[in-house]
Amino acid sequence: AQSVSQHNHHVILSEAASLELGCNYSYGGTVNLFWYVQYPGQHLQLLLKYFSGDPLVKGIKGFEAEFIKSKFSFNLRKPSVQWSDTAEYFCAVKGGSYIPTFGRGTSLIVHP
Amino acid sequence: DTEVTQTPKHLVMGMTNKKSLKCEQHMGHRAMYWYKQKAKKPPELMFVYSYEKLSINESVPSRFSPECPNSSLLNLHLHALQPEDSALYLCASTETERASGYTFGSGTRLTVV
Repeated sequence: AQSVSQHNHHVILSEAASLELGCNYSYGGTVNLFWYVQYPGQHLQLLLKYFSGDPLVKGIKGFEAEFIKSKFSFNLRKPSVQWSDTAEYFCAVKGGSYIPTFGRGTSLIVHP
Repeated sequence: DTEVTQTPKHLVMGMTNKKSLKCEQHMGHRAMYWYKQKAKKPPELMFVYSYEKLSINESVPSRFSPECPNSSLLNLHLHALQPEDSALYLCASTETERASGYTFGSGTRLTVV
């Protein structure tokens, strides 16, 4: 069975700081990986996804993620965060099941 | 049109009421989903429809009744809900059940009083 864990539950940063949110998954086969963002009071939006090819994936709003197969990881990064990046971030994995499994989420607060 | 539209955006209902949530997409997607999300928690899958047929029911109580009248529409009928059912209900769609990358609607925030 597929599973995903996000180790950082709450992250607090100042504007212009660099961001890295951890995501590790458990599944032995081919996976599709996703990062979703949910701004306060809004719905989930897809930030980026990995299916195959270049393990460094660039998404919207300056976010990127790197798939490291040997570490079963798909960490989300942004070199310089803004106050508007304050949101919940969910990692998701889709392996053997057609349905993705979501991580429990990371709450990011960026202070101006 | 690259959106999933959900109505209403907010709903307050009593425990004896009957109400329905509506979800619509015109992207030609053939898989549609209902999720329930509590605050600061990941979305929990409720139902999956694939080609207008119920594909997955994640052991959801019968007070929630999904319906897929056509390939663009997905309804969730609510009856005799409990206060603990208060949550954000999200609809999503994908090209097919095997395709990846949901398009989510903005959700219906449901409060049961």
